[in-house]
Amino acid sequence: QSALTQPPSASGSPGQSVTISCTGTSRDVGNYNHISWYQQHPGKAPQVIIYEVSRRPSGVSDRFSGSKSGDTASLTVSGLQADDEADYYCSSYAGGNKLVFGGGTKLTVL
Amino acid sequence: QVQLVESGGGVVQPGGSLRLSCAASGFTFSTYAMHWVRQAPGKGLEWVAIVWYDGRNTDYADSVKGRFTISRDNSQNMVYLQMSSLRADDTAIYYCARDPPEQWLVLDIWGQGTQVAVSS
Repeated sequence: QSALTQPPSASGSPGQSVTISCTGTSRDVGNYNHISWYQQHPGKAPQVIIYEVSRRPSGVSDRFSGSKSGDTASLTVSGLQADDEADYYCSSYAGGNKLVFGGGTKLTVL
Repeated sequence: QVQLVESGGGVVQPGGSLRLSCAASGFTFSTYAMHWVRQAPGKGLEWVAIVWYDGRNTDYADSVKGRFTISRDNSQNMVYLQMSSLRADDTAIYYCARDPPEQWLVLDIWGQGTQVAVSS
């Protein structure tokens, strides 16, 4: 299974919105809604912020939102804050009980 | 509180073996599927393996299939990763993570990770 494609970096100023893409194929992102997004701060374990394309776990800010169109999923972070600076990873079910992650996007708050 | 604590990491020579452990607490362990995910130095996340809630089914990434074995002991609230024929590219932080029964492939709680270094 090949990793999903994410841009290596993204940036925005405080208060702005930024969108991170996650491109797969018809065998993973395009075929399933089991798509999650994880935030990872340096030296810390990842934390799920979006699951099933657009659902937020309890306690996650509504500034984080997810969507999907075709083979591409997207994470939008609105009202950027300094603490949003982190690495973000998408994941998707890839069939055959396997999970695949994206390569990760480093979000910088300018 | 809900917690996962990994252990067993260390330095091992190429071709060697290592067994990682993950101790779960604060939730009904036997109802959750469990995963191992790894992260090579400076790299992204890579899914490694899953074990079903009852331990009857497992699946692996192609990169570790035939070399790694995931298992669990629901009486001890433990999940394991037996790694053999280790290679340099297995060097990574290894995380265990739980997958709630009401969702699928949503890793909602992660441990702090245990470091594995494969080097001669």
